[in-house]
Amino acid sequence: DIQMTQSPSSLSASVGDRVTITCRASKSIGIYLNWYQQKPGKAPKLLIYGASTLQSGVPSRFTGSGSGTDFTLTIASLQPEDFASYYCQESSHTPRLFTFGPGTKVDIK
Amino acid sequence: QVQLQESGPGLVKPSGTLSLTCAVSGVSIRSSNWWSWVRQAPGKGLEWIGEIYHSGTTNYNPSLTSRVGIGVDKSNNQFSLNLRSVTAADTAVYYCVRVNFLVTDYSSAGYYAMDVWGQGTTVTVSS
Repeated sequence: DIQMTQSPSSLSASVGDRVTITCRASKSIGIYLNWYQQKPGKAPKLLIYGASTLQSGVPSRFTGSGSGTDFTLTIASLQPEDFASYYCQESSHTPRLFTFGPGTKVDIK
Repeated sequence: QVQLQESGPGLVKPSGTLSLTCAVSGVSIRSSNWWSWVRQAPGKGLEWIGEIYHSGTTNYNPSLTSRVGIGVDKSNNQFSLNLRSVTAADTAVYYCVRVNFLVTDYSSAGYYAMDVWGQGTTVTVSS
């Protein structure tokens, strides 16, 4: 099975900061990589699919990049509503087996 | 718009069966989507449980496959989760989710992603 790791596990940042979260797969998954945002007490929300395509309605300050085993989620200028946990997820298996990364919590410095 | 709503008991006894239903509105469960369950233990990350297509085809997380069953009720536009022989480790928020095939702007390629989530329901396993 494919294992997903994320770094850092948590970070503290200020409004306006540029934030980068890394996700790594234990073997190549092409660009079968999705990113989700989860606020406390709420369901996750899809941000990015196919490693770099922004889901409809997601602000353009979010960008995704990478392929193979290494991926990044970047928030260009952190906004107050962006303080949340972020999860990567791979979907490369056939038959399908979704695996989430352990998550990265972004909180206020 | 598409909405999903979980329902079911909030408390299940150890060794019992956890049973949840997800009501789907705004889209037919017969559409070309997969319907999935994801859970989150308190303070932990997300764990995919499994999914079903309206044909009845299922995929399950190998770590749970011996205990899990997902069904579809097309007449009521809903799908369900049964998890047998539960323990305290199954205490979690359970989400029902639509898995959609999303295409990119730059190519005809598409990718499966979880684009609609229910609000989640808390299930506690305790005697």
